[in-house]
Amino acid sequence: EVQLVESGGGLVQPGGSLRVSCAVSEFTFSSHWMSWVRQAPGKGLEWVAKIKEDGTEKYYVDSVKGRFTISRDNAKNSLYLQMNSLRAEDTAVYYCATGQYSHGYWGQGTLVTVSS
Amino acid sequence: QSALTQPASVSGSPGQSITISCTGTNSDIGGYYFVSWYQQHPGKAPKLMIYEGNKRPSGVSNRFSASKSGNTASLTISGLQAEDEADYYCCSFASSNTLVFGGGTKLTVL
Repeated sequence: EVQLVESGGGLVQPGGSLRVSCAVSEFTFSSHWMSWVRQAPGKGLEWVAKIKEDGTEKYYVDSVKGRFTISRDNAKNSLYLQMNSLRAEDTAVYYCATGQYSHGYWGQGTLVTVSS
Repeated sequence: QSALTQPASVSGSPGQSITISCTGTNSDIGGYYFVSWYQQHPGKAPKLMIYEGNKRPSGVSNRFSASKSGNTASLTISGLQAEDEADYYCCSFASSNTLVFGGGTKLTVL
């Protein structure tokens, strides 16, 4: 069974940094694009970023460009999202998901709270 | 990168059919074929129901179907069941190789 398990969420002050991770198992991780999608409390889904199989192409939603960096380690079947200069509006559950155009598998999410 | 437009809520009785619309622009829905739909129950991760416009992943009921006309995509659920009550989100590939979601629609089964 395919499993995606996010970790690294928590409480961080505005302007701070945090890295969330996603460990993927029972899936040909190195052969697929991967994405991050977030959901603010009580709100809808928002696509955040995606990365090509080999990490050579990365795309972001405008609101996080220059602040967030998506990366992957195919040897560890892991996906990462480095978040810098965090703002209150970045507070959300962050999901990792498989796919470039649609997301067939999702993790359970990790909550990131930006507050002083 | 403006969110796609969905109705906030729809409702239907068991056995009925409902349709959820999703309106975008020529830069997303109207320009590409990669529209997907997701179901999300409270406290759960989203689940892919439709991809590439009208394809169903293995295990998804054929009561779920989708279509697109111009800048508007639609999800139809036929033979409504209590378990279909959930939030539904559309998503489209967009220019600059990004993705954009709709605001979500809460489906209530009466």
